[in-house]
Amino acid sequence: EVVMTQSPATLSVSPGARATLSCRASQSISTNLAWYQQKPGQAPRLVIYGAATRATGIPGRFSGSGSGTEFTLTISSLQSEDFAVYYCQQYDNWWTFGQGTKVEIK
Amino acid sequence: QVHLVESGGGVVQPGRSLRLSCAASGFAFSSYGMHWVRQAPGKGLEWVAVTSFHGRNKYYGDSVKGRFTISRDNSKNTLYLQMDRLRAEDTAVYYCAKDFGAAASTRGYYFNYWGQGILVTVSS
Repeated sequence: EVVMTQSPATLSVSPGARATLSCRASQSISTNLAWYQQKPGQAPRLVIYGAATRATGIPGRFSGSGSGTEFTLTISSLQSEDFAVYYCQQYDNWWTFGQGTKVEIK
Repeated sequence: QVHLVESGGGVVQPGRSLRLSCAASGFAFSSYGMHWVRQAPGKGLEWVAVTSFHGRNKYYGDSVKGRFTISRDNSKNTLYLQMDRLRAEDTAVYYCAKDFGAAASTRGYYFNYWGQGILVTVSS
């Protein structure tokens, strides 16, 4: 099983600041990685796929990078609607999620 | 637009069974793999099961293998999850999710649409 590890567990950021979230895979997954955003009481929403491609309707302040085992989601200037929990997911070999990073208002 | 609507959740005693349904619309249901993902209260996301576009290939997470059965009826655009021998640790919100591809193997794609989720509580 491919284990996904996200860091940090919680990220406190001021509105307008930059947020950088990390995700590490226990083995190489190429760029078969997605990021999802989940707000309280809502279903997850696809943000990034293929490690770096924004999903439909996702604003340009979201960007993804990485390949192999190390991945990053960057939100360049946090807006109020971006405060949420973010999960990475690998789909290279079966499907597994990281434990999530909560982005909260500082 | 794509809509996925789960139903069939509720409170059930340990050891009993429950069947969830997911009604799909807005896309060619019979062309895509479909998944179930669950989220225990206050916890993260856990992948549960997948069925390929034609329903012939099915794969399960270790925690549900042998107890849960995923199936689909392409004539009704509906996905199912039969949950038997339920345990307290199966308590969660269950989401159905659409695969970007056909999910004919365990090397698949990401989930581009999700239902709103349905709560299953296993308690005596």
